[in-house]
Amino acid sequence: GQNIDQPTEMTATEGAIVQINCTYQTSGFNGLFWYQQHAGEAPTFLSYNVLDGLEEKGRFSSFLSRSKGYSYLLLKELQMKDSASYLCAVRPYSSASKIIFGSGTRLSIRP
Amino acid sequence: DAGVTQSPTHLIKTRGQQVTLRCSPKSGHDTVSWYQQALGQGPQFIFQYYEEEERQRGNFPDRFSGHQFPNYSSELNVNALLLGDSALYLCASSLFLSGLESSGANVLTFGAGSRLTVL
Repeated sequence: GQNIDQPTEMTATEGAIVQINCTYQTSGFNGLFWYQQHAGEAPTFLSYNVLDGLEEKGRFSSFLSRSKGYSYLLLKELQMKDSASYLCAVRPYSSASKIIFGSGTRLSIRP
Repeated sequence: DAGVTQSPTHLIKTRGQQVTLRCSPKSGHDTVSWYQQALGQGPQFIFQYYEEEERQRGNFPDRFSGHQFPNYSSELNVNALLLGDSALYLCASSLFLSGLESSGANVLTFGAGSRLTVL
């Protein structure tokens, strides 16, 4: 099975940098996703990592270490609109069309 | 290009009743997955439909059932509603990947959800 752990809540300051960590234990693994979800809205895709290393996309970057079962999402130049939940999710090796989500990290940005 | 559309957006039911939620996938997608998201939690996988068949199922009782139509749209049915079924029900569409294909992200595109309240 899969077990995904991420902090429940984080707070950061506008303009700063924040790193949201995610650890996972899975019997098979075929890629890791990060989704953003604003309150009351649908999750939206941020990033996907299948190989070790850092993927950068504008203000957001995502890192993966398969050997350590570890990922992080890095948000730079934080804006108030970045206040949202950030969901770490894995795609099991046995099922490429299925994604398993963690409980999410609720990020609050203060001025 | 319309994304994933779900209906209804909100509904209230009482314990023991039945509910049907509907989903139209993003144009070009052939696979529909349903997720249940309780307040403050991440989405929990219910099941996935492809070619009008249930392909995978999460840890949900048989009270949860579904259907996919030839136009790829889908329904989620929940019978004998319990208070604990109150949640946001999300539909997500994608392309079906069989076997171990991992080319590209095959991103799930989510609808805005149907918020179900059971009283």
